[in-house]
Amino acid sequence: AQSVTQPDIHITVSEGASLELRCNYSYGATPYLFWYVQSPGQGLQLLLKYFSGDTLVQGIKGFEAEFKRSQSSFNLRKPSVHWSDAAEYFCAVGARVYGQNFVFGPGTRLSVLP
Amino acid sequence: DADVTQTPRNRITKTGKRIMLECSQTKGHDRMYWYRQDPGLGLRLIYYSFDVKDINKGEISDGYSVSRQAQAKFSLSLESAIPNQTALYFCATSDASSGRELGQFFGPGTRLTVL
Repeated sequence: AQSVTQPDIHITVSEGASLELRCNYSYGATPYLFWYVQSPGQGLQLLLKYFSGDTLVQGIKGFEAEFKRSQSSFNLRKPSVHWSDAAEYFCAVGARVYGQNFVFGPGTRLSVLP
Repeated sequence: DADVTQTPRNRITKTGKRIMLECSQTKGHDRMYWYRQDPGLGLRLIYYSFDVKDINKGEISDGYSVSRQAQAKFSLSLESAIPNQTALYFCATSDASSGRELGQFFGPGTRLTVL
């Protein structure tokens, strides 16, 4: 079965600074990988996803993520953070085997300083 | 209109009461899921359904049951609510009809408080 870790529980950055949120996964094959964002009081919104091909994927709101097979990682990045990016971010792994499910990481809370 | 709707959005109930949370989707997706979210624990899967006749237990199904009334409807029941079921509950859908999982789409959540 797959598993996901997000080593950082809480990150604080200044507005305009760059951002990298870490995600590591465990899975026996190449997984499907996702990043979701949850704003306060809201549901989860899909930011981006990786299935195959180019290991650098672009998402909404200026986010990108890079799949690194050798490191079992799928880190989320943004070159310049906006105050509205303050939210909780979840990495998720989906299996390629029918019948298996998504596994979500515990989340990283992002705070943005003015 | 929202693609995935959940009713009610908030509910306060007492220990021992039966509660039903409902989820409807207009996305035409075949797969539906129920999760609960607790602070610091992320999302945990309660039940999932890959089609109307396929219901499966997730990580934390004890104390919960589900019904997939139609492709578009998936309800979650707490037969006898207890305080540690106080949480934020999310319904989600996904489309794997192409043979590839394309990601999950979430409803706005139901905040349930059990006193």
